[in-house]
Amino acid sequence: AQTVTQSQPEMSVQEAETVTLSCTYDTSESDYYLFWYKQPPSRQMILVIRQEAYKQQNATENRFSVNFQKAAKSFSLKISDSQLGDAAMYFCAYTVVTGNQFYFGTGTSLTVIP
Amino acid sequence: EPEVTQTPSHQVTQMGQEVILRCVPISNHLYFYWYRQILGQKVEFLVSFYNNEISEKSEIFDDQFSVERPDGSNFTLKIRSTKLEDSAMYFCASSEGGVANEKLFFGSGTQLSVL
Repeated sequence: AQTVTQSQPEMSVQEAETVTLSCTYDTSESDYYLFWYKQPPSRQMILVIRQEAYKQQNATENRFSVNFQKAAKSFSLKISDSQLGDAAMYFCAYTVVTGNQFYFGTGTSLTVIP
Repeated sequence: EPEVTQTPSHQVTQMGQEVILRCVPISNHLYFYWYRQILGQKVEFLVSFYNNEISEKSEIFDDQFSVERPDGSNFTLKIRSTKLEDSAMYFCASSEGGVANEKLFFGSGTQLSVL
């Protein structure tokens, strides 16, 4: 069964500092994708970053980067130079290449302290 | 950037009543999805829809649920006889291609409260 675990229900970071959100997943598949989605107070789910499992290089998008450890089934999100607008719920998600559904974690609520 | 829109943002209904949640996916998208999130729990897949038929559904999506694309723009989720445990945030999403290869766009959700 595919499961996604986010062990940190809440995190906080000082503005301009760096924070890392953890995510682990369980799968028997070899070809899959991993995502981080952000859900601000507006409730809209916004894609932050995507990682293909076959790629060894960690994905980066501006201040957002991931640490993808395939053997450990770990997919953490690093936010550098945190901004007030980064405050949101962050969801880790997984899908198999041939699938039609995402499997989500329970989310991490990030607070950015000015 | 184009958006998926959902209406209403909040829906309150009595147990046993039928509800229809509405979504307008992005116009050139071909794949449509419904997800739900019970308060404090993870976001769960309900159903995916492509080429005017269901392509995949979860165990949650039982006979009480149905989806429809009644015209070229709307995508609806109907719950025939709501139960208390159907109370959740329901998210519609769409993508141009299959979910793994394309960016998935989510709507802002409909908060359904069943009393």
